[in-house]
Amino acid sequence: DADVTQTPRNRITKTGKRIMLECSQTKGHDRMYWYRQDPGLGLRLIYYSFDVKDINKGEISDGYSVSRQAQAKFSLSLESAIPNQTALYFCATSDLYGLYNSPLHFGNGTRLTVT
Amino acid sequence: GENVEQHPSTLSVQEGDSAVIKCTYSDSASNYFPWYKQELGKRPQLIIDIRSNVGEKKDQRIAVTLNKTAKHFSLHITETQPEDSAVYFCAARGTSYGKLTFGQGTILTVHP
Repeated sequence: DADVTQTPRNRITKTGKRIMLECSQTKGHDRMYWYRQDPGLGLRLIYYSFDVKDINKGEISDGYSVSRQAQAKFSLSLESAIPNQTALYFCATSDLYGLYNSPLHFGNGTRLTVT
Repeated sequence: GENVEQHPSTLSVQEGDSAVIKCTYSDSASNYFPWYKQELGKRPQLIIDIRSNVGEKKDQRIAVTLNKTAKHFSLHITETQPEDSAVYFCAARGTSYGKLTFGQGTILTVHP
């Protein structure tokens, strides 16, 4: 089944540590995204990439960086984790159909806790 | 940039009743409005979407309406069932190539 896979599913880390969340997809989509979910705040875009050579900041990119290693892989890094980065993180993909973006397909999420 | 406001934040209904969730958006150039459902512990999944050239779209018990003049759109669920209990997110996209901006989410609880 073509899907979007995130690793790890859960992670607990300490303040100041560097951490990487990984995302891989078998959908063959060019576009990949990292979102963060917090209760009452919805899903907020951190970074997005429309192809391997394209990286763009979203609305809350401070404290995060990304790497698009291949069409199928998009990783999110927290250079020095802080407690307010505790959240549920989703990777998503989409494709371009003519002039329109396809719907987003989300991964299963990574629950990150920073102590 | 685009701003999407979603109301109510929580909604509780009895099984069989209707549920309505409303969203407003700020960018008049927005032309695509999807709704996602997220069950507890799971990923958000698309349930219905509408483009700006359409005023209403239905799929069995769910429907979405769009008022471009007022810049708001709504999700309507009829004959609600307990399995409709979930968090629902609206979203808006500013251009065909643009990114999605999500609302804050609505926790819908359907009581048997």
